[in-house]
Amino acid sequence: DIVLTQSPATLSLSPGERATLSCRASQSISSSLAWYQQKPGQAPRLLIYDASNRATDIPARFSGSGSGTDFTLTISSLEPEDFAVYFCQQPNKWTRFGPGTKVEIK
Amino acid sequence: QVQLQQWGAGLLKPSETLSLTCAVYGGSFGDYYWTWIRQPPGKGLECIGEINHSGNSNYNPSLKGRVTISVDTSKNQFSLRLSSVTAADTAVYYCARGRVSGDFDLWGRGTLVTVSS
Repeated sequence: DIVLTQSPATLSLSPGERATLSCRASQSISSSLAWYQQKPGQAPRLLIYDASNRATDIPARFSGSGSGTDFTLTISSLEPEDFAVYFCQQPNKWTRFGPGTKVEIK
Repeated sequence: QVQLQQWGAGLLKPSETLSLTCAVYGGSFGDYYWTWIRQPPGKGLECIGEINHSGNSNYNPSLKGRVTISVDTSKNQFSLRLSSVTAADTAVYYCARGRVSGDFDLWGRGTLVTVSS
């Protein structure tokens, strides 16, 4: 099974700063990676699909890159509403989701 | 705008069967994988299983045959049954729309299911 790892587990930043989140796959998944944002008490929301495509209505400050085994989600300038947990996900059954990175206010 | 609305019992005793239903409003079943995903409190996300509009289903082997997902296309609904629940099944259960690309672009609001004697 393909396993996803995310780093760091927690990222402490201030509004306006740049956030860089990493997701690594245990074997190549080409560009088949998605990113989600989850806020407390809410369902995850799709941000990025196919590694670099923004989902509908996702602001341009969110961008994704990478292929193969190494992927990055970048938030160019953190807004107050961006403090949340971010998960990466690959399509292979059944170990699809990474453990998450919490972006917290410094 | 397509929405998923889910419902079902939120409190179960050990050995009972969990039953949840998710309705698709504003759209058809189409070429998607209708999926159940769960999240234990404070933990990560786990895919339980999926079904397509033809009724072809796949389940996470870790749930050892306790899972059944069914679909009712006449009602635009799909359902989850998880038998012989234990405290380890306590989680928020989400229904979601899975795309061919493998991601989930639409989610229900989630149902907290607690298993306690």
